[in-house]
Amino acid sequence: DTGVSQDPRHKITKRGQNVTFRCDPISEHNRLYWYRQTLGQGPEFLTYFQNEAQLEKSRLLSDRFSAERPKGSFSTLEIQRTEQGDSAMYLCASSLHLEPQETQYFGPGTRLLVL
Amino acid sequence: AQKITQTQPGMFVQEKEAVTLDCTYDTSDQSYGLFWYKQPSSGEMIFLIYQGSYDEQNATEGRYSLNFQKARKSANLVISASQLGDSAMYFCAMREGCNYGQNFVFGPGTRLSVLP
Repeated sequence: DTGVSQDPRHKITKRGQNVTFRCDPISEHNRLYWYRQTLGQGPEFLTYFQNEAQLEKSRLLSDRFSAERPKGSFSTLEIQRTEQGDSAMYLCASSLHLEPQETQYFGPGTRLLVL
Repeated sequence: AQKITQTQPGMFVQEKEAVTLDCTYDTSDQSYGLFWYKQPSSGEMIFLIYQGSYDEQNATEGRYSLNFQKARKSANLVISASQLGDSAMYFCAMREGCNYGQNFVFGPGTRLSVLP
């Protein structure tokens, strides 16, 4: 399977705990994106990387959220001191920049439930 | 103001019939791209079709076609010969300019149910 993969697929945690999600993009893709999706809504942009560099962060991304892509391949998204409002689906996507239409391809997502 | 509007929260269609899912967008950019994604209950967003603002012809991909009316700022998705497996959420999305990030927004989605 050469698509975008995410781990874990589901995570249940208690309020106040830290959680970390991993995303492995399509291997030749140089851009990687994180989105959050709550029930009944479309995905909302959180942040994205080109290679190792984090190019943009959404105003939605509080300082409890941090993302890394240390070697320009996989990425991690960490949420510290989780809150119940963090419960959502976290989606990762990747794209090949400079491809003419530059389509984003998404992973299966990580469903987070904060109790 | 909403950048992407999908006015149909839910749609029903009989198997083997065609269905149109509406999408209107708002941008002042001359260069933009429009995308449709399908999201089954499993959660993965599946890319369906793309239309660039400078493309003169409507995009088609198999049973999917995009009815692009630039002056009306609409980009409706047409699914021909609906199948039970087409039951899912469908999202219209727009990228303004040539970069993603804050410039890429999704609509609220339309839930399509295909009836046997």
